[in-house]
Amino acid sequence: SQQGEEDPQALSIQEGENATMNCSYKTSINNLQWYRQNSGRGLVHLILIRSNEREKHSGRLRVTLDTSKKSSSLLITASRAADTASYFCATPAGGTSYGKLTFGQGTILTVHP
Amino acid sequence: DTGVSQNPRHKITKRGQNVTFRCDPISEHNRLYWYRQTLGQGPEFLTYFQNEAQLEKSRLLSDRFSAERPKGSFSTLEIQRTEQGDSAMYLCASSLWTGYNEQFFGPGTRLTVL
Repeated sequence: SQQGEEDPQALSIQEGENATMNCSYKTSINNLQWYRQNSGRGLVHLILIRSNEREKHSGRLRVTLDTSKKSSSLLITASRAADTASYFCATPAGGTSYGKLTFGQGTILTVHP
Repeated sequence: DTGVSQNPRHKITKRGQNVTFRCDPISEHNRLYWYRQTLGQGPEFLTYFQNEAQLEKSRLLSDRFSAERPKGSFSTLEIQRTEQGDSAMYLCASSLWTGYNEQFFGPGTRLTVL
């Protein structure tokens, strides 16, 4: 079963707009990771946020984590056509960095030029 | 390029044939993972190694699947007697065990079973 669930399943925006994707998970974790996947390609690691962090930034990316609600969000500001991809959140199985990651089904983001 | 590499990138085979995929992790990483991804889904865990030891196998991994990491460096994933349901993207990832397990993925091998 998949622990992380992304919302929405698909998001379509214009270039320059912000895109927000949400992820919910079920068990306690010590970190959460976000990945991007361009069509037919491998996954690119975007950001890891630890359970003792509430917010983290990387370039145009902003990730928040609310452990009380078991949810995370990924915000991409000033989106570009090149941001078009699927975005996945991933959590460590068993809550800690035990080994494997469990992924949600992803959010498909389309940015129109 | 010092990222994770996978070969071949694409494999088309007939049902019943055996296939083998190779993954070369980032050189200093001691953990290596295999995932499978079907269209419209997120990756699903198959198995992982720490150095040469296989520490966990998913129940998804039937006895037709076998993985090795003989010297703790590259890994191979073999599928025997392929079935059409094996068609998927097979992803390899590696990490340096630091407690947070940030994983870095290769480009994947897309398998098509006819």
